[in-house]
Amino acid sequence: SLELTQPPSVSVSPGQTARITCSGDVFAKRYAYWCQQRPGQAPVMVIYKDIERPSGIPERFSGSSSGTIVALTISGVQAEDEADYYCLSTDSRGTWVFGGGTKLAVL
Amino acid sequence: EVLLVESGGRLVQPGGSLRLSCAASGFTFRGYWFHWVRQVPGKGLVWVSHINSDGSETNYAENVRGRFTISRDNDKNTVFLQINSLRAEDTGVYYCAREVVFPDRMIDYWGQGTLVTVSS
Repeated sequence: SLELTQPPSVSVSPGQTARITCSGDVFAKRYAYWCQQRPGQAPVMVIYKDIERPSGIPERFSGSSSGTIVALTISGVQAEDEADYYCLSTDSRGTWVFGGGTKLAVL
Repeated sequence: EVLLVESGGRLVQPGGSLRLSCAASGFTFRGYWFHWVRQVPGKGLVWVSHINSDGSETNYAENVRGRFTISRDNDKNTVFLQINSLRAEDTGVYYCAREVVFPDRMIDYWGQGTLVTVSS
């Protein structure tokens, strides 16, 4: 199944740690990717290949994977991290699938 | 500077056609794969289509296969999405995205999107 399931929302206070999970059978065989979309902006990839961070992405963003569940962790959350976060996966042919997205609220 | 600039979005009636363009600059165009991703305002991202470096391989989401055609012109550094038989559910912002394939696969740049509205 190519369905990826995320919680609709997560709330944290500034300085705390936010953890956003994503579940999908595909993760047993494929890598997870995460992208961030701030309001009114285009998406930006923050994690690729489960745990790798693209250049320019702050170290407070990290990824993890265990079986069919993957997670994005943001340590020391800042106000600027308030955004929608999407998990993704891809197959060898080039197709991608997105999770439904999680709105991170920094209260 | 890497730039992806989409264009071609507009209001169109159901059953109509559109061609979206994604003009790329700031990098060696033919070395990358490209994707189109749709987002209904206020909703999530949905992958639509992919094309490989030389255009020999394309892929489509199930609900657009047969109506959408992705192509590229490596001489003009442009990716296209031809959309036929438009439906209300095709409405949304269409983003063009670049994928690095070596050494690791990753979507590293996105355009700002072009809005397609299908309505009578």
